[in-house]
Amino acid sequence: EVQLLESGGGLVQPGGSLRLSCAASGFTFSNYAMSWVRQAPGKGLEWVSAISGSGGSTYLADSVKGRFTISRDNSKNTLYLQMNSLRAEDTALYYCAKDQDSSDWTYFDYWGQGTLVTVSS
Amino acid sequence: QPVLTQSPSASASLGASVKLTCTLSSGHRSYAIAWHQQQPEKGPRYLMKLNSDGSHTKGDGIPDRFSGSSSGTERYLTISSLQSEDEADYYCQTWVTGTHVVFGGGTKLTVL
Repeated sequence: EVQLLESGGGLVQPGGSLRLSCAASGFTFSNYAMSWVRQAPGKGLEWVSAISGSGGSTYLADSVKGRFTISRDNSKNTLYLQMNSLRAEDTALYYCAKDQDSSDWTYFDYWGQGTLVTVSS
Repeated sequence: QPVLTQSPSASASLGASVKLTCTLSSGHRSYAIAWHQQQPEKGPRYLMKLNSDGSHTKGDGIPDRFSGSSSGTERYLTISSLQSEDEADYYCQTWVTGTHVVFGGGTKLTVL
């Protein structure tokens, strides 16, 4: 059974940092691209970042470019999102999502339950 | 980059059928999409990949009540024999492989 378990969310002041983690199980982690998708309170889904199965290719949305970094440790079956210079508009539930493809991001066939990031003073 | 348009809301009676629509921007009629369901207070759940020819591949455990179809730039999700647990937000998603992933704004389905 595929499981994706996010952690690391919390309350942080504007300008602060957080690192999100997503522990994956039930599939060969290194064989699949992974993404982070966020959902602001009462809003829809926004694709934020993606990484290929090998980790060699990454993507960051313009809204987070220069502030967020995506990475993965295939030996630990874990996906990360390092978030720096956080802003109020980054407040959202952050979901980890498994792609159905190995090298490129396409569509997501499994999702985690999300971890909440709140940016507020 | 493709754009996906969804109606904000839809409603149908318990036991009835409902057809949700996701419209691709012009010039993107050959694109496949994916449908995802998000029940209240839960993470999204993958329902199916839907191709431009109407063929679709459903996710693990998705009931036969859920089906997809396509016509031109429109992609449909039909839910038959509506149950209370089908009350949820439904999102369509498309992609340009290795470049962009795009979500529609979502449709909130109310089961009456």
